[in-house]
Amino acid sequence: GENVEQHPSTLSVQEGDSAVIKCTYSDSASNYFPWYKQELGKGPQLIIDIRSNVGEKKDQRIAVTLNKTAKHFSLHITETQPEDSAVYFCAASGSVQFYFGTGTSLTVIP
Amino acid sequence: GAVVSQHPSWVICKSGTSVKIECRSLDFQATTMFWYRQFPKQSLMLMATSNEGSKATYEQGVEKDKFLINHASLTLSTLTVTSAHPEDSSFYICSAISGSSYEQYFGPGTRLTVT
Repeated sequence: GENVEQHPSTLSVQEGDSAVIKCTYSDSASNYFPWYKQELGKGPQLIIDIRSNVGEKKDQRIAVTLNKTAKHFSLHITETQPEDSAVYFCAASGSVQFYFGTGTSLTVIP
Repeated sequence: GAVVSQHPSWVICKSGTSVKIECRSLDFQATTMFWYRQFPKQSLMLMATSNEGSKATYEQGVEKDKFLINHASLTLSTLTVTSAHPEDSSFYICSAISGSSYEQYFGPGTRLTVT
């Protein structure tokens, strides 16, 4: 089955700096890669996703890149703000079931 | 984006009792719903996948007689924790997808505490 690894597990950045979270996957059949943001005590919220037919997608301060050959994808957050502080999960899917990474706790220091 | 609700948002029950959690897709029809369990500072653990009108598919190690899942309509799935014990205390989250869409939308979660 699919195995998704996520790094780092914790990340602290100064407000205004960029944050990068990386994930790798094992199953070449995976073709959909969403990223979720989870605030304390709440459910995960889809923030951006990418499909295997594109290499990069951007939405304002958030971008995701995908390298199918190397089987890794990354989340980039620019101009970080304190409200970006949360746990971020990557996921990979080739069908209905999603396989989640272990999460990255991002802290943006004002 | 699509909205998924859960009710209740938190519940406290006594050991040995049963508790039902509802998951609703508010603005779309959910052909497939998922139930996850999340322990503090950990990732989401898939418990089961349910399709409308059919029996749920449980992940290995999840007791189907203890965690009863019913997906009775295209907008509602329920998870009933039967004969709850303190070790069942956790954060339960549902999610839903629509038709052939890839996107999986999550509910806000339900905090269950068994005393």
